Amino acid sequence: RKEVEQDPGPFNVPEGATVAFNCTYSNSASQSFFWYRQDCRKEPKLLMSVYSSGNEDGRFTAQLNRASQYISLLIRDSKLSDSATYLCVVKEGNQFYFGTGTSLTVIP
Amino acid sequence: DTEVTQTPKHLVMGMTNKKSLKCEQHMGHRAMYWYKQKAKKPPELMFVYSYEKLSINESVPSRFSPECPNSSLLNLHLHALQPEDSALYLCASSQPDREGGYTFGSGTRLTVV
Repeated sequence: RKEVEQDPGPFNVPEGATVAFNCTYSNSASQSFFWYRQDCRKEPKLLMSVYSSGNEDGRFTAQLNRASQYISLLIRDSKLSDSATYLCVVKEGNQFYFGTGTSLTVIP
Repeated sequence: DTEVTQTPKHLVMGMTNKKSLKCEQHMGHRAMYWYKQKAKKPPELMFVYSYEKLSINESVPSRFSPECPNSSLLNLHLHALQPEDSALYLCASSQPDREGGYTFGSGTRLTVV
């Protein structure tokens, strides 16, 4: 059983579209949650932490549902530069668990 | 600019060579990690150092040998690697027992020939 599950996609969306990714985690004791973005042949970079109350950063909104053990990332008004792989990461103690990543391509 | 620096960025080595990957951070983080990432896969944890002590070894073959000389440095010594060890090797750091995610280095792209 995987700790963190994500739909790998790929998601191919037109510019300006709204797209949502979901991620589920298996351990209810998980403490912290993050979305990372990884461009091709680059390292993962922190996109945003996910807080219980939900949080927004510009076009990006992250939400956490502890009862159902899932987190989500919503991207509004997609840009070509949003094309990347989005990794869901869950922290338990000092261990981080990665989802398989969701591939997004924004099409002109 | 990344705050976790990895060298070299690219490395090609033969199966009989010995080489080392280096990682340095100056954020005061006391947990450091080595990950291996193959194409189109998420990073796979190899080793975790917490307060300069090896706390997790994810059953990594002995041809990979980590070393943490001090709180800012993390090395990965490589010996007698196989072609299937070719991958992107990522170093990361974080602050143990605190909120907050990783900071990754830009990685070393290793090719074993």
